[in-house]
Amino acid sequence: EAQVTQNPRYLITVTGKKLTVTCSQNMNHEYMSWYRQDPGLGLRQIYYSMNVEVTDKGDVPEGYKVSRKEKRNFPLILESPSPNQTSLYFCASSLVNGRNHGYTFGSGTRLTVV
Amino acid sequence: QQPVQSPQAVILREGEDAVINCSSSKALYSVHWYRQKHGEAPVFLMILLKGGEQKGHEKISASFNEKKQQSSLYLTASQLSYSGTYFCGTGFSSNTGKLIFGQGTTLQVKP
Repeated sequence: EAQVTQNPRYLITVTGKKLTVTCSQNMNHEYMSWYRQDPGLGLRQIYYSMNVEVTDKGDVPEGYKVSRKEKRNFPLILESPSPNQTSLYFCASSLVNGRNHGYTFGSGTRLTVV
Repeated sequence: QQPVQSPQAVILREGEDAVINCSSSKALYSVHWYRQKHGEAPVFLMILLKGGEQKGHEKISASFNEKKQQSSLYLTASQLSYSGTYFCGTGFSSNTGKLIFGQGTTLQVKP
């Protein structure tokens, strides 16, 4: 089944403890992106990647890191999480840099930082 | 830069029609539409590109006015399954994958 897989689905952590949220897609998509969703603010882009080893900042990149060493994987790294990073996170992927195709989203990761 | 969606919320009876609007302050290359049900991931509905190309859902239609930098999503003869939050996502260039989403429109369809 074609899908984007995120792990974990739920995570509660403490301030300052490094964490990684994994994202993997099996559709051979070039384009991958991370979004955070907060009430009343919609989906805000954190980082995106147009292909292997090519990443760029979205609108809210502060406090996050990403890497794209393989086409299928695009992990999101929080080096020192803070409570304001408590949010619902979505990974998405698309063919052809998202220009002509819709995104496929993962199931989401609900992160709580205490 | 975030596109503005209107209305913020709408309640319908089954069979009624609805229009959701998305307006940008910048020139657009593409507009995406997604539906998200509570507790689930957004699901792709439709994409409209500058120049008129469209790809998407058979039962949902949309328009893209490039000059006005606006798009509208048309939901006709609504069904209970149409309930959810609708997001538009705007792209500004063919050279980047950056997509900025609106704040969402919540649609509730009642029997």
